[in-house]
Amino acid sequence: KQEVTQIPAALSVPEGENLVLNCSFTDSAIYNLQWFRQDPGKGLTSLLLIQSSQREQTSGRLNASLDKSSGRSTLYIAASQPGDSATYLCAGPQAAGNKLTFGGGTRVLVKP
Amino acid sequence: DAGITQSPRHKVTETGTPVTLRCHQTENHRYMYWYRQDPGHGLRLIHYSYGVKDTDKGEVSDGYSVSRSKTEDFLLTLESATSSQTSVYFCAIRETSGNTIYFGEGSWLTVV
Repeated sequence: KQEVTQIPAALSVPEGENLVLNCSFTDSAIYNLQWFRQDPGKGLTSLLLIQSSQREQTSGRLNASLDKSSGRSTLYIAASQPGDSATYLCAGPQAAGNKLTFGGGTRVLVKP
Repeated sequence: DAGITQSPRHKVTETGTPVTLRCHQTENHRYMYWYRQDPGHGLRLIHYSYGVKDTDKGEVSDGYSVSRSKTEDFLLTLESATSSQTSVYFCAIRETSGNTIYFGEGSWLTVV
């Protein structure tokens, strides 16, 4: 059974600092890995999807990497802003179409 | 938002009553999911569907049933609501091309 872990559970940084968010998974037979953002009282917003054949994906200030052999994915957010404050979750299915397994999330606070 | 609409968005109901939550999508995606999100437990899969009349259980399916009679609608029914089913319920779809998962805005359910 796939298990997904995100450490730390919470993180506070000053504005402008780069954010590094970690996601670990136990089964390397992962089909893809997706990062989401969730604001309080809201749904999840998809940020990036990395296919198992890829090593990284980039969108604006966001960059996500995937290392299947070590069971890790990292989300980098460059030059953080107070608007980046949210909970960030990672999730991955084990095979095409299979259910996602979510990590517990990392709650990020970017202080002005 | 991939054209996902959840209804109702908020509901208060009494213990023992049946409740149906509706997820509607406008883009004919094959895979649809129902999750619940609770403090300390994160996001947990209740049921998912991989086509019309094709559904399967997730990790917390007891007390819930689903139906999918049309591609665009995925219904979640709490047959006899209990206080432990007080939660936020999220519907999600998996994009047919690209595999990205998109979530609805959530349905807040309180069972009193």
